[in-house]
This record gives sequence, structure tokens and C-alpha cells, in this order.
Amino acid sequence: QQQVKQSPQSLIVQKGGIPIINCAYENTAFDYFPWYQQFPGKGPALLIAIRPDVSEKKEGRFTISFNKSAKQFSLHIMDSQPGDSATYFCAPLLIDRGSTLGRLYFGRGTQLTVWP
Amino acid sequence: GAVVSQHPSWVICKSGTSVKIECRSLDFQATTMFWYRQFPKQSLMLMATSNEGSKATYEQGVEKDKFLINHASLTLSTLTVTSAHPEDSSFYICSAREGTGDNQPQHFGDGTRLSIL
Repeated sequence: QQQVKQSPQSLIVQKGGIPIINCAYENTAFDYFPWYQQFPGKGPALLIAIRPDVSEKKEGRFTISFNKSAKQFSLHIMDSQPGDSATYFCAPLLIDRGSTLGRLYFGRGTQLTVWP
Repeated sequence: GAVVSQHPSWVICKSGTSVKIECRSLDFQATTMFWYRQFPKQSLMLMATSNEGSKATYEQGVEKDKFLINHASLTLSTLTVTSAHPEDSSFYICSAREGTGDNQPQHFGDGTRLSIL
């Protein structure tokens, strides 16, 4: 059962563009909404995260928009740079007290390419 | 920042051998660590969750006798792939949760690329 749907699968933008990556989820019990950035051959690194009590969070060039009623959240990258080329994953956190506590549910990933 | 070290970063071995991968939290204590598997151009798949001092909880479809997990201290968890075969070749990634709260951040290691010949 796929609890998280991430789109698009791949995205190509020019330097300075604003790529937007979307994540839709089913389970309203998700409690924490992070985005991870992964470079080839490396593990994912936490980029930015939001809690469900706010609708937007900005850190530097990265912004999360959160729509609780629509069960969606998105990542916006302002003034994108070639160094932002990576794979991005949304991975909402479910606190499941019945079994595995604090588990991340990864989306399928978005491969972003920023052309110079 | 919180650092998770994974060792080795790359291992090649013959079919039938066992391989141990270490995951260490360098500057924080991690009661809970997670092991993931990632195939090329795919997402991370959770294999198991390990809690210090207790047995690991495996995800459905993951063979516990094949993938042995030990979390003997607050800074070290190990994954042993027993009697590895070519189909076990993959990128294995661990993460460690900082603190004891369920919603604390998870910090990821840089992964171990396992190739079974």
C-alpha cells in the first residue's frame, strides 16, 4: 500500500528557475513532514521539515508549503543552482504506537537536474 | 551536526560469504536505528528497526535469518548479510534517530554498496 505519492519523477530546470516537487499522502496520522536530498553514492540528508501546525516554512532558498486539508506538501527551491541537482525524497513520519515507532515513509523520489 | 558513520562504504565478496556492515552515531546516542535498502534509481525501503538492547523489528518480507541486526550499544548497530547471493547486491543505508522522542530527526549514513559475485 503506497501511502505517499511523490511527483514528478524527474524535473529539469535552468539555473535560476524554481522547481516544485509535490508529495501527497493518505494517512492523516503523519506527524512530521521532511524533505531529504540525496546525491549519488551518498545517504539522504535532511533538507527541511515542517510540522502540521504551520502552513509554510522557509530556510534559505528552500520552502515547504503544507496543505493539511488536501493532504499535500511541496518543496520549492528558489534560484536553483547546478549544485542542487540531486534526488529529493519526501518522507513523512508516522508515529505508529502499535508497532514500529517513528517510521519514515519515503516517496519514490524526484531526480532534479539544474542546467547552468 | 549529528553524524552517522557507516562502514565499509563498499564491499565486494563471493557468493555464500557473510558480510557485516557497521553503523555508528558519532556525536549522539541513538536508542533507535533503522536499516534501509535502495536499488538503483529507486526509493529507500525500510528493512528493519533496531532498538538498543532488544531484538530488531523486521518489515514484512524481510528475512530475519538472512539479515541479522544487532544493536548492542547506544552508538552502534550492525547488519550482517548471511550467506550472501547476487540478488542481495544493493545499497544499504542506516539511519539513527537522535534522542528518544518518536519525532526526533533521523540522520543517515552514507551507505554501503554491496556487490556479490
